[in-house]
Amino acid sequence: KAGVTQTPRYLIKTRGQQVTLSCSPISGHRSVSWYQQTPGQGLQFLFEYFSETQRNKGNFPGRFSGRQFSNSRSEMNVSTLELGDSALYLCASSLGGQGSYGYTFGSGTRLTVV
Amino acid sequence: AQSVTQLDSQVPVFEEAPVELRCNYSSSVSVYLFWYVQYPNQGLQLLLKYLSGSTLVESINGFEAEFNKSQTSFHLRKPSVHISDTAEYFCAVSDQLTGGGNKLTFGTGTQLKVEL
Repeated sequence: KAGVTQTPRYLIKTRGQQVTLSCSPISGHRSVSWYQQTPGQGLQFLFEYFSETQRNKGNFPGRFSGRQFSNSRSEMNVSTLELGDSALYLCASSLGGQGSYGYTFGSGTRLTVV
Repeated sequence: AQSVTQLDSQVPVFEEAPVELRCNYSSSVSVYLFWYVQYPNQGLQLLLKYLSGSTLVESINGFEAEFNKSQTSFHLRKPSVHISDTAEYFCAVSDQLTGGGNKLTFGTGTQLKVEL
């Protein structure tokens, strides 16, 4: 059973650019959540998608957005990049997005903004 | 909203010694609790979870955690650590959201450093 796949693993972007990150969940999982990990703020919830709908959103500016496709693959987009967006972005796959199902994480995408 | 406190940011320990990583959460309702481990430049790997039932949960690599509702704690223990256990450990609680579904609220992490 394949795990959660995140691409790319590493990205370097310039301030003001935009970036798209991809996450393929475990087959059959319908919920995909995104988290940002930084040394200063730790692990913070960005948003969650379930059956192609954004069900919940964390406390991040509108520059952070995402979507989910019919095959449950998800993308997140960050526009007008700032230096503070440099972080490890983690995707979590869940059968139904309920705590009882648990969450499986991908290896993450390391974004560096210069 | 839930919160999770990991009291120790770093825990140095000698190989083959026992270790306890502490975790407290804030909740008065039923919770699901998790421990994740993160190796350098990697994502989060689930170590163990408490959903219901027995308050003592175990992982396949010798870690165990005990859910204590009265003390709102979920401490992680291992009786004898190995050098390969060196990593960062995150305690998390599943937080129910108004839109349906849940999110994980994480503690700030504990860096376990096993020394020879």
